[in-house]
Amino acid sequence: DAGITQSPRHKVTETGTPVTLRCHQTENHRYMYWYRQDPGHGLRLIHYSYGVKDTDKGEVSDGYSVSRSKTEDFLLTLESATSSQTSVYFCAISHPLLDRGDSYGYTFGSGTRLTVV
Amino acid sequence: TQLLEQSPQFLSIQEGENLTVYCNSSSVFSSLQWYRQEPGEGPVLLVTVVTGGEVKKLKRLTFQFGDARKDSSLHITAAQPGDTGLYLCAGEYGNKLVFGAGTILRVKS
Repeated sequence: DAGITQSPRHKVTETGTPVTLRCHQTENHRYMYWYRQDPGHGLRLIHYSYGVKDTDKGEVSDGYSVSRSKTEDFLLTLESATSSQTSVYFCAISHPLLDRGDSYGYTFGSGTRLTVV
Repeated sequence: TQLLEQSPQFLSIQEGENLTVYCNSSSVFSSLQWYRQEPGEGPVLLVTVVTGGEVKKLKRLTFQFGDARKDSSLHITAAQPGDTGLYLCAGEYGNKLVFGAGTILRVKS
């Protein structure tokens, strides 16, 4: 199993402050993702990375930036936190499936619950 | 924008009953994946279906991918309280996943 760790697990921050969430993987998977999960919306893609310094936007990228200076770390920054960014944030990596060489599975971290007050 | 509509949103059933969750889209996906999520944890992959018409079984769970690779279903036979959780379908396209809104399943003993 791919080791994937998110930190912090919980955070409360004030409106207008910058916040950085960290995702760390123990294997050299190329693709990493940040999703947010809100009731009634499932998971929505914020940003993703396909290599060191290679990133692209997802469907809900406004107000967020990312950085990937090392293969194992993918950082998500809320430049100026707003109450609408209160959510649970999940990091994920994609990896080839052992029994399906033609397809990929996704492994998710345990999430960061962020509250913006 | 790729969209996946998942239904029903909520399902509360008695132990031993059967149920089906549906996932529909107007888009074609390279694969369709099903995840289960417990409170306070991230989604965990149950199965990936790749070929149109494909059927995969995982104990009491049966997953089907539509012939046109636009829709999928999850059928649970003889549901048990341990099946309680959030079930998510996700379509893969261009090395990304788009998720349905999820189905909250509660199985009462």
